[in-house]
Amino acid sequence: GESVGLHLPTLSVQEGDNSIINCAYSNSASDYFIWYKQESGKGPQFIIDIRSNMDKRQGQRVTVLLNKTVKHLSLQIAATQPGDSAVYFCAESSGTYKYIFGTGTRLKVLA
Amino acid sequence: GAVVSQHPSRVICKSGTSVKIECRSLDFQATTMFWYRQFPKQSLMLMATSNEGSKATYEQGVEKDKFLINHASLTLSTLTVTSAHPEDSSFYICSAKAGGRGEKLFFGSGTQLSVL
Repeated sequence: GESVGLHLPTLSVQEGDNSIINCAYSNSASDYFIWYKQESGKGPQFIIDIRSNMDKRQGQRVTVLLNKTVKHLSLQIAATQPGDSAVYFCAESSGTYKYIFGTGTRLKVLA
Repeated sequence: GAVVSQHPSRVICKSGTSVKIECRSLDFQATTMFWYRQFPKQSLMLMATSNEGSKATYEQGVEKDKFLINHASLTLSTLTVTSAHPEDSSFYICSAKAGGRGEKLFFGSGTQLSVL
């Protein structure tokens, strides 16, 4: 079936460095993508989204890149802070109400 | 941004009892709400899609008689875990789609269910 997967289950970065979290998706019909941040014991928190007619979108300290050719999505976090430590999920939608979530990447920020 | 309130945040119950979890959209009307289940260190698994005024749509493998969903109003959906057993222990999360604000899903804070 369709799936969204992540390359790295755990990513450790030094505080102040940039973080890059990757996501691969398999449904070529997906046209909307979202990144969520989930802290322990809490619900997912929206970070940034991007539509398939774009290849880059920037937010505050975060950038999402979309490469439709290779079906790859990435989240870049600039100047990573201890508060960025969490699990990050990508999710994709193909115009329906359904959202498929990736397996998640745990980001650990080292002091 | 839109706020989704989920209650309770944590519940411990005895095996065989039923537990109701509420999900409310506080500042918007949600014609569609979603219920997810999440095991430790795993991703979110969609259980069912809840539409206001109609029957919920359950994902394959999810027992509709076990997980009762009611979406009686545009701001409230409830999930009732009937005759709960230890294997039902999990983190349950609701989300709502805010119509007119794009396709973003806004999530509740989750409910940790522990069945003894």
